[in-house]
Amino acid sequence: DVKVTQSSRYLVKRTGEKVFLECVQDMDHENMFWYRQDPGLGLRLIYFSYDVKMKEKGDIPEGYSVSREKKERFSLILESASTNQTSMYLCASSLTAGFSNQPQHFGDGTRLSIL
Amino acid sequence: LAKTTQPISMDSYEGQEVNITCSHNNIATNDYITWYQQFPSQGPRFIIQGYKTKVTNEVASLFIPADRKSSTLSLPRVSLSDTAVYYCLVSGSARQLTFGSGTQLTVLP
Repeated sequence: DVKVTQSSRYLVKRTGEKVFLECVQDMDHENMFWYRQDPGLGLRLIYFSYDVKMKEKGDIPEGYSVSREKKERFSLILESASTNQTSMYLCASSLTAGFSNQPQHFGDGTRLSIL
Repeated sequence: LAKTTQPISMDSYEGQEVNITCSHNNIATNDYITWYQQFPSQGPRFIIQGYKTKVTNEVASLFIPADRKSSTLSLPRVSLSDTAVYYCLVSGSARQLTFGSGTQLTVLP
């Protein structure tokens, strides 16, 4: 069974800090994704990666960057955290580079609070 | 980019069949429709996926009309444990992933 592990369930940081959210998948999936989830807005795609060192912007990339140095690990970086980035962050992975029919496997999320 | 629209919430009673409809008027030729279930404090979990007509698995059915502008997730004989948020995702060849805002299903005893 695919396992997607996010390094922290809860995280509290201060405005202006650089924040790293880590995600690891154990099934050799090519694609990895970062979403944020806010009440009433559903899941919104921040960034995704279809290969090591490759990345593409999603719907809301502003204020975020990502890093994928190894196939199994995908990091989300908040360069200078702001209070409007307080949210639930979800990482996901899927098998191959074809997006249309590949179910995504999600981690359980990191609830990030920026004070 | 195929935007999706779902009802915000639905209530049902145990043992009933529940149908949740998702509208996606601008669906593209290569898009698939996928439904996910999410419980509190967990990530979404894949339920079912389809391209056209009807798909059935051990937990749900998915009905997609010929024009593909909507889809309906059908959950047979729901139980209390089916209380969750259900998301419709239209995923396309243009690498655009559009989740709906989700439907909160509450199953009552």
